[in-house]
Amino acid sequence: QKEVEQNSGPLSVPEGAIASLNCTYSDRVSQSFFWYRQYSGKSPELIMSIYSNGDKEDGRFTAQLNKASQYVSLLIRDSQPSDSATYLCVTDKLIFGTGTRLQVFP
Amino acid sequence: EAGVAQSPRYKIIEKRQSVAFWCNPISGHATLYWYQQILGQGPKLLIQFQNNGVVDDSQLPKDRFSAERLKGVDSTLKIQPAKLEDSAVYLCASSLRGGTGFYEQYFGPGTRLTVT
Repeated sequence: QKEVEQNSGPLSVPEGAIASLNCTYSDRVSQSFFWYRQYSGKSPELIMSIYSNGDKEDGRFTAQLNKASQYVSLLIRDSQPSDSATYLCVTDKLIFGTGTRLQVFP
Repeated sequence: EAGVAQSPRYKIIEKRQSVAFWCNPISGHATLYWYQQILGQGPKLLIQFQNNGVVDDSQLPKDRFSAERLKGVDSTLKIQPAKLEDSAVYLCASSLRGGTGFYEQYFGPGTRLTVT
């Protein structure tokens, strides 16, 4: 069974802090990974993609990939209340994790 | 550019009834996906179309679910007969291409199905 594991949260961080979201996957064949954000009652939207080991930065977001450990993470710097949402980790085999709910409080 | 359109937005039916959902992808997008998202879970892929051919339907409960994509554009997903456990949000997504390369998926607003 190919799985993607995420802590369901909620992860609560104060405004301005760094939020760290983690994901592990079981399918070693997967090469690319994606982070989607889903606001309550809304559809998922892509925020980051990563294909190679290491870090990829895009604005306040940094995705990290370690294929040897089968581990993907998303860091959100200077967290804002508008970042409060569920973050879904997805493999290129279209396997979604259950998501981590992030709450950023003022 | 218009996004992915879905209808209806909400549907309430009794168990054993049938229901159909419609999706119109972004113009020019070759690949279309149907997902089922149960409350508190991530989306689960039901079926993936490339143009009007099926790429992956391994998680589609074929005894009750069916889907088609007409002329490689619009798609319908049908459930017959519905069960209580089919209560979920059904999401349609499309991407410019599919396969093994990177494909950003754009999701529609979803159809919330309640089976009573």
